[in-house]
Amino acid sequence: AQKITQTQPGMFVQEKEAVTLDCTYDTSDPSYGLFWYKQPSSGEMIFLIYQGSYDQQNATEGRYSLNFQKARKSANLVISASQLGDSAMYFCAMREGPMNRDDKIIFGKGTRLHILP
Amino acid sequence: GAVVSQHPSWVICKSGTSVKIECRSLDFQATTMFWYRQFPKQSLMLMATSNEGSKATYEQGVEKDKFLINHASLTLSTLTVTSAHPEDSSFYICSAPAAGGDTDTQYFGPGTRLTVL
Repeated sequence: AQKITQTQPGMFVQEKEAVTLDCTYDTSDPSYGLFWYKQPSSGEMIFLIYQGSYDQQNATEGRYSLNFQKARKSANLVISASQLGDSAMYFCAMREGPMNRDDKIIFGKGTRLHILP
Repeated sequence: GAVVSQHPSWVICKSGTSVKIECRSLDFQATTMFWYRQFPKQSLMLMATSNEGSKATYEQGVEKDKFLINHASLTLSTLTVTSAHPEDSSFYICSAPAAGGDTDTQYFGPGTRLTVL
């Protein structure tokens, strides 16, 4: 079974609009971490935002926020005021177990976001 | 953020040859590094966990004799694709968890694009 599910293979959004990228996850471990990465056409993986399973508040980083709904096991990424440079592939990922920076991260299939001028 | 480099950024080789890819953590030490491969328009698939001073841990279905991993120091891991064939052509990307800070994340190298003729 998939651990990370991203149901939107592709999205088209008008510049300056907000966009929500969906992510649901599956784990029985009470301790885990959720990540979002951006991958532009150059291939580099850019870390965007992190949410720990015990974090009380939703994570925010500039224009990025993570809508963490623990009971629903969802961790949607919200990008406010989208820009042309936001066009890229976006991956949701999860690390299971207590916070330990040596643990592996598993990725979803990704969502390709296109920002339209 | 922490910096991870990879070398080479791209390589073209003939079928049957071996190719070595280096992954370096430039400003931090990493006892663990991770190797992923990514086919076009697909997600990152974890291949193996590289452990400094001990054997790598391979994911199910990954041939350890074909993808040799050596973690020689706290800042260097190498992936050698032995007797490469066209089906090994892919984008190989490494990551390393960064110690310190308040974010539990991993930093990725820029990737190596391997083309086997």
